[in-house]
Amino acid sequence: DGGITQSPKYLFRKEGQNVTLSCEQNLNHDAMYWYRQDPGQGLRLIYYSQIVNDFQKGDIAEGYSVSREKKESFPLTVTSAQKNPTAFYLCASSTSGFAYEQYFGPGTRLTVT
Amino acid sequence: RKEVEQDPGPFNVPEGATVAFNCTYSNSASQSFFWYRQDCRKEPKLLMSVYSSGNEDGRFTAQLNRASQYISLLIRDSKLSDSATYLCVVNINTGNQFYFGTGTSLTVIP
Repeated sequence: DGGITQSPKYLFRKEGQNVTLSCEQNLNHDAMYWYRQDPGQGLRLIYYSQIVNDFQKGDIAEGYSVSREKKESFPLTVTSAQKNPTAFYLCASSTSGFAYEQYFGPGTRLTVT
Repeated sequence: RKEVEQDPGPFNVPEGATVAFNCTYSNSASQSFFWYRQDCRKEPKLLMSVYSSGNEDGRFTAQLNRASQYISLLIRDSKLSDSATYLCVVNINTGNQFYFGTGTSLTVIP
């Protein structure tokens, strides 16, 4: 089955720890994205990548880091510098080009205490 | 000013009703438009793309008005299963970024 997988579904961490969220796609999409969604709010872009070994900051990149070493994978690290990391994190991918829609993974709910 | 704005609702409608949502966008260079559906605590899923000529998929009709810079979604004969949050999404083709509205909440009541 083609799609986007994110793991784990739920993640709990102590404050001060870095944590890496996994995102894998087998849709052969060039572009991949990370969003954060807080309760009652819209999606906010953290980072995106249009091609392997290249990525750009989104609107709220501070406290996050990414890598794009393979086309299929776009892991997100939430560092201890992120002041309010508890949120629902969504990974998406799309074919390059503005006419193409995004497809989302099932998301990871991160809780930091 | 936000790139994309939606009325958050909530819209509470009886089964069988027709309901319409609008979404405005601020950048006249916007190139492509989509409606997504998001169920509670789930990921957004593509409902339909919005074409310049308008398009229909069963009970759902989407329209684009470039002159007034808005898109609309019409749902006819509402079902209980239509209860969800509907997200308006715009792509401005600057770095291939997608801009999301905050969503409109719909509850269909028996």
